[in-house]
Amino acid sequence: DQQVKQNSPSLSVQEGRISILNCDYTNSMFDYFLWYKKYPAEGPTFLISISSIKDKNEDGRFTVFLNKSAKHLSLHIVPSQPGDSAVYFCAASGTASKLTFGTGTRLQVTL
Amino acid sequence: DSGVTQTPKHLITATGQRVTLRCSPRSGDLSVYWYQQSLDQGLQFLIQYYNGEERAKGNILERFSAQQFPDLHSELNLSSLELGDSALYFCASSLTGTKDEKLFFGSGTQLSVL
Repeated sequence: DQQVKQNSPSLSVQEGRISILNCDYTNSMFDYFLWYKKYPAEGPTFLISISSIKDKNEDGRFTVFLNKSAKHLSLHIVPSQPGDSAVYFCAASGTASKLTFGTGTRLQVTL
Repeated sequence: DSGVTQTPKHLITATGQRVTLRCSPRSGDLSVYWYQQSLDQGLQFLIQYYNGEERAKGNILERFSAQQFPDLHSELNLSSLELGDSALYFCASSLTGTKDEKLFFGSGTQLSVL
């Protein structure tokens, strides 16, 4: 049972445009959400997070939006840069300390 | 560099064999997590340790076991290996292992079972 879903395996965006990566979850006990970025041959690295008491969190070019009623979150990258090309994982946690990850979306930013 | 060290980077072995994956957490981190990433799958949580004690268990097979030693490094033991165990195994660490802490991941061990 995939509790965190990233339905788009890949996304291609032109440099300078907005990248929007989506994530849906089914477990209503999740109250903390994170995005990790992964380059080839490296482990995932933390990008940005949001608590369920907020609906938006911004860090530079990266903004995460949370819609609790829809059990949906999205990551916006503006403007997209070639160095943003990576696999992005959405993750969530509830009462336990472990993170539940989605399957990832591969973002390619083209020139 | 996350500060988390995993060895070996690559491991090729045969079905039925046993292997040990090693992880050294970031300096000062007390908690270690193990995750498995199979092809086209997300990272599946296996197990978490805090200061030598098991704290949480996920979908870890009975053929797999782990431990965290007094120096805080951790080992994941995989035995009676099957083809389906081929995957990327990540170790991650955090300071106290509590909820909402961000994890720092190693670069993984790629296990190929032939």
